Amino acid sequence: EIVMTQSPATLSVSPGERATLSCRASQSVHINLAWYQQKPGRAPRLLIYGASTRATGVPARFSGSGSRTEFTLTISSLQSEDIAVYYCQQYNNWPPLTFGGGTKVEIK
Amino acid sequence: QVQLVESGGGVVHPERSLRLSCEASRFIFSNFAMHWVRQAPGKGPEWLAVISYDGNDKYYADSVKGRFTISRDNSKNTLYLQMNSLRVEDTAMYYCARGSFVSTGYNFDGWGQGTLVTVSS
Repeated sequence: EIVMTQSPATLSVSPGERATLSCRASQSVHINLAWYQQKPGRAPRLLIYGASTRATGVPARFSGSGSRTEFTLTISSLQSEDIAVYYCQQYNNWPPLTFGGGTKVEIK
Repeated sequence: QVQLVESGGGVVHPERSLRLSCEASRFIFSNFAMHWVRQAPGKGPEWLAVISYDGNDKYYADSVKGRFTISRDNSKNTLYLQMNSLRVEDTAMYYCARGSFVSTGYNFDGWGQGTLVTVSS
């Protein structure tokens, strides 16, 4: 099973500033990685797949990068509506499909 | 826009059974693989099971293999999860999700609102 590790657990960012979230895989997943946003009381929402391709309707301030074992989700200019928990998920080796433990983004 | 509506959750004693349903609309259900994913309070999502578009192929997480069964009825646009021998650690929000196959595997491009399962004596 591929273990996904996210850091930091909590990220405090001022409005308009850049937020950088990390995700590490226990072995290479190539670029077969997705990012999700989950707001309180809501289901996760797909943001990024293929490590860097934005899903339909996702604002351009969200970008993904990385390959193999190291990945980054960047929010270029944090908005209040971006407050959420963000999860990465690998789909290179499965079953099982596996998620990270999440990074909570809060307003500083 | 994908619409998925789960039902069937509730409070159940350990070792008992429960069946979850997920009704799909606004897309051609029979064209897509479907998944169940759960999320315990304060934890990340945990993938549980997938069923192919035609129901012929199924895969499970080790944590539920032999206890849970995924199935679908394409004539009713409905996905199911039969959960037997429930444990306290199965307590979670259960989501159905549409699978989007990319390269080598699935991400989840549509989710229901979830149904809460609580296993407690």
